[in-house]
Amino acid sequence: KNQVEQSPQSLIILEGKNCTLQCNYTVSPFSNLRWYKQDTGRGPVSLTIMTFSENTKSNGRYTATLDADTKQSSLHITASQLSDSASYICVVSANKAAGNKLTFGGGTRVLVKP
Amino acid sequence: DAGITQSPRHKVTETGTPVTLRCHQTENHRYMYWYRQDPGHGLRLIHYSYGVKDTDKGEVSDGYSVSRSKTEDFLLTLESATSSQTSVYFCAISQRGAPGTDTQYFGPGTRLTVL
Repeated sequence: KNQVEQSPQSLIILEGKNCTLQCNYTVSPFSNLRWYKQDTGRGPVSLTIMTFSENTKSNGRYTATLDADTKQSSLHITASQLSDSASYICVVSANKAAGNKLTFGGGTRVLVKP
Repeated sequence: DAGITQSPRHKVTETGTPVTLRCHQTENHRYMYWYRQDPGHGLRLIHYSYGVKDTDKGEVSDGYSVSRSKTEDFLLTLESATSSQTSVYFCAISQRGAPGTDTQYFGPGTRLTVL
């Protein structure tokens, strides 16, 4: 069964500090991995997308890494800001042979405190 | 929210009543999706559409039906709402490709409570 597990479930960090979120998946055959940011009461917004051949992708202060061999990804937030308080969702897509099926992780809730 | 609106934004209804949620887009994207989001489950695909009058089931389609008579509108209907359908419902759109091949843009969500 395809699964996406995210850790931690939640974390609290001080403004200006860095943090790293983890995503482990068992989706196969793999096509791509996306990280989404979801503000409270809003829909998710795409941050990054990585395919099998990419091992890092940045979007401003957000840097995602991918190790397709170990089926792990991380999202690093640098110099956190209060606006980074949100849930971060890891989404893994199977390839066309598997119907391009998406599997969503449960998310990591990040709270940035001043 | 990428030119996507959902209505209503909040709804409280009683078990056994029919409910229709509407998703409207102004992006002229081909693909539209309905998801539900529940604590501990993440987002789960209910149904999606790959064109006018072309729809397919997702992983949690039981108890739901959809219709798409125009490119811009995708309706989700709960024929007889149950308490297990209490959830937050998100509509999403993508310009091309089957689910997973293209970035999806999400609407603001509809919070549905079934008493």
